Amino acid sequence: EVQLVESGGGLVKPGGSLRLSCAASGFTFSSYSMNWVRQAPGKGLEWVSSISSSSSYIYYADSVKGRFTISRDNAKNSLYLQMNSLRAEDTAVYYCARDTSGSRGDAFDIWGQGTMVTVSS
Amino acid sequence: SSELTQDPAVSVALGQTVRITCQGDSLRSYYASWYQQKPGQAPVLVIYGKNNRPSGIPDRFSGSSSGNTASLTITGAQAEDEADYYCNSRDSSGNHLGVFGGGTKLTVL
Repeated sequence: EVQLVESGGGLVKPGGSLRLSCAASGFTFSSYSMNWVRQAPGKGLEWVSSISSSSSYIYYADSVKGRFTISRDNAKNSLYLQMNSLRAEDTAVYYCARDTSGSRGDAFDIWGQGTMVTVSS
Repeated sequence: SSELTQDPAVSVALGQTVRITCQGDSLRSYYASWYQQKPGQAPVLVIYGKNNRPSGIPDRFSGSSSGNTASLTITGAQAEDEADYYCNSRDSSGNHLGVFGGGTKLTVL
């Protein structure tokens, strides 16, 4: 079964750090670009970051640039998001999502169940 | 960056047809993908590319595009289709799928 499972969320104080992980299974992880997408409570989806299959290309939303770092370990089938200098507005459910961009179109075809990050004093 | 605009809320009578739209300049160059999200659940891809449905998505869901507008059509809406729907596309640079619409809350009456 194709699956993504996030972990690492929790409660952190403003200015603190947290590292999210996403474990992939059921597909060849090293062949796909991967992304982090977040959703603040009661709000819409917001793309956070993208990393290509070999980590050659990395992109960030302006809202997290300079504070968050995306990475992956293809040997461990894992995706990561290091979050530093956290702010209250970073409070959200964080999803990892597989990018299936190809000849039939571009999309996030597989999503994890999400992990909640709460930034509060 | 780019922006995608969706109507905040749309309603449809049970069994009728509803169209949910998404507008943005990037849609002149790239197709939109569409996601269904029910409360407390992760988003699910329902339409991508020209008009492609992932395995398991009912054929009452279809997609189309014209100019700067992408549309998701549900033909014969069912009670279980009540959900939030989000469109997504590439940003203006084309480098990543970094743009989501604000979402449309679909109510099935």
